[in-house]
This record gives sequence, structure tokens and C-alpha cells, in this order.
Amino acid sequence: RKEVEQDPGPFNVPEGATVAFNCTYSNSASQSFFWYRQDCRKEPKLLMSVYSSGNEDGRFTAQLNRASQYISLLIRDSKLSDSATYLCVVKDDKIIFGKGTRLHILP
Amino acid sequence: GAVVSQHPSWVICKSGTSVKIECRSLDFQATTMFWYRQFPKQSLMLMATSNEGSKATYEQGVEKDKFLINHASLTLSTLTVTSAHPEDSSFYICSASRGSMNTEAFFGQGTRLTVV
Repeated sequence: RKEVEQDPGPFNVPEGATVAFNCTYSNSASQSFFWYRQDCRKEPKLLMSVYSSGNEDGRFTAQLNRASQYISLLIRDSKLSDSATYLCVVKDDKIIFGKGTRLHILP
Repeated sequence: GAVVSQHPSWVICKSGTSVKIECRSLDFQATTMFWYRQFPKQSLMLMATSNEGSKATYEQGVEKDKFLINHASLTLSTLTVTSAHPEDSSFYICSASRGSMNTEAFFGQGTRLTVV
């Protein structure tokens, strides 16, 4: 099993819709989880951390399910500017990225 | 937020030469730095983890004699691609962390290496 797995997509979603991504991780001892966003040819940028209790930042909601070893990201009321690749990141003694999920918001 | 500066942002070199990429944390001490490589339309692949003052830990399949990593201070790590070949052409990105497991990572701008 790969350390961090994501559905590569692409997800083609109409503007205003809600979209959700999942990410599974293999190391049950992992402690820190993040969602990063990467635009084409740019460095990844932190979107949000993922806390055990779940957390929300505006239109974005992140959840952690330790029992099933996955994290999720929900984007509500999607905007054209949300089009990007979303990277699931698991951090313990090293930082491992998922392959990313490509999202295209359609006008 | 914290700033990580990576230099150069792009470089073109001849096959067989060596290229050095620098990664600096500008406003914090980075106990750990990570080096990644990203080929077009592919994911970020961790190459190695470097801790200040010790040898880097390389991921499986990454040649440590080809990709030399030095983390001599808490604010600087360098990656040297030795005897570069066209297949080494890629986007190299560094990341720095304060070391705590629950802290985010900060990324350099990336270096696009083209070997001709």
C-alpha cells in the first residue's frame, strides 16, 4: 500500500457546486495532516491543517478519520479560482505528499 | 508566514556538469529540510530529508552520490546535481520545517533544471 493515496481526478465541477476529495494514508502512527494547493508550475501552498476534531475555514472543511486512516477536504460553493491540484500531506519524521487531485471548476 | 528562498529559480546546464541549488529559511531556523523532484504532470516525489549537521536520508531509488545534499547550518541546505544528464531535467523544490511534527512545511519557489 502506498504511503499516501489520492484519486488523481480530474474532477470537473460546475461553478457553485460542492466537491469532496479523500486521501488515505498507510502509517497509523502519523500525527500531522495537511491539505496543500498547487497551481501549475508553482510551489505548493498550505491550504489548511487537518485536526482530529475537524476544522473549517470559509468554504473549506477538512476532516480526519483515524480509524479508517483517511482525511477529506470539502469545498463548498466552488469558484473558478479553486481550479488547482490539491495535495494531501502526511507528516511525521518526513513529509509525504499524495499525487494530488486535479480540480477543474467549469464556468 | 515564514519564508523559504530557493535559488536559482531556473537553470540550463550542459550534460555532464554539476548544478547547485540553494534553499534558505529566511526568518526561522529549519532543523529539517526536504528536497523534492517533480516531473511534468507528475506528483512531488521526496528525494531526501536533511537534518542540520548530519547526513541526509535518501529515499529509495535516489542516488546519494549523484544528488549531494549539504545542510551545514539551520538556515541553509544545498542540493548539488552532479554530472547532470537530460533525464535529470525536472522541477526541484525544497521545503523547510521547524522540526515539530505538528508544524506546516514552507516551500521554496522551486528550481526548474534543464540539462541540454
